Amino acid sequence: SYVLTQPPSVSVAPGKTARITCGENYIGSKSVHWYQQKPGQAPVLVIFYDSDRPSGIPERFSGSNSGNTATLTISRVEAGDEADYYCQVWDSSSDHYVFGTGTKVTVL
Amino acid sequence: QVQLQESGPGLVKPSETLSLTCTVSGGSISGYYWSWIRQPPGKGLEWIGFIYYSGRTNYNPSLNSRVTISVDTSKNQISLKLTSVNAADTAVYYCARDRVTAAVGAGMDVWGQGTAVTVSS
Repeated sequence: SYVLTQPPSVSVAPGKTARITCGENYIGSKSVHWYQQKPGQAPVLVIFYDSDRPSGIPERFSGSNSGNTATLTISRVEAGDEADYYCQVWDSSSDHYVFGTGTKVTVL
Repeated sequence: QVQLQESGPGLVKPSETLSLTCTVSGGSISGYYWSWIRQPPGKGLEWIGFIYYSGRTNYNPSLNSRVTISVDTSKNQISLKLTSVNAADTAVYYCARDRVTAAVGAGMDVWGQGTAVTVSS
């Protein structure tokens, strides 16, 4: 098993861009999913397979994955984007899901 | 629209067995993988394990010896049993569905609202 490392917190001003990283050796060779979780609510899938968006997720949310780092980018940040964000990887060698440590995004 | 609802006791005594049920409505259990995930108060998400509607399972190694996930297709329910619980098992427990039929690892697109379980005497 392994640990997906995320920064504990990211602060961003409204209208600016937030970037949340998810680090692990060779994560670029795996598919990464991202979830948004607001207080008291269940997580919501915002990106799957590194960079695909489920229907209903704004285009402001995008993802990339290469080398040892996957990144969730939130463009033109809004107050409603304030939440915890988790990356997730499927480890096909062990048939396990692994979640990242989580990042709290604060909109200033 | 598929909806998931977790249910079960909110309080469990140490050393006893935690038992939860996830009821699926608005769709069928068949064809999908279903996971249990938990979140201790103020902490991150932890994947517990999955089950396919056929009964195939796999569990987080950290919980493997204490976890059993089962499925009842006739009732459209998935169940979780966690034995020998202690305070560290206090968490909100979620069930969730994998996004793609007949495949696991594509991300979870449907989640229940979660149910809080406290382990205390």
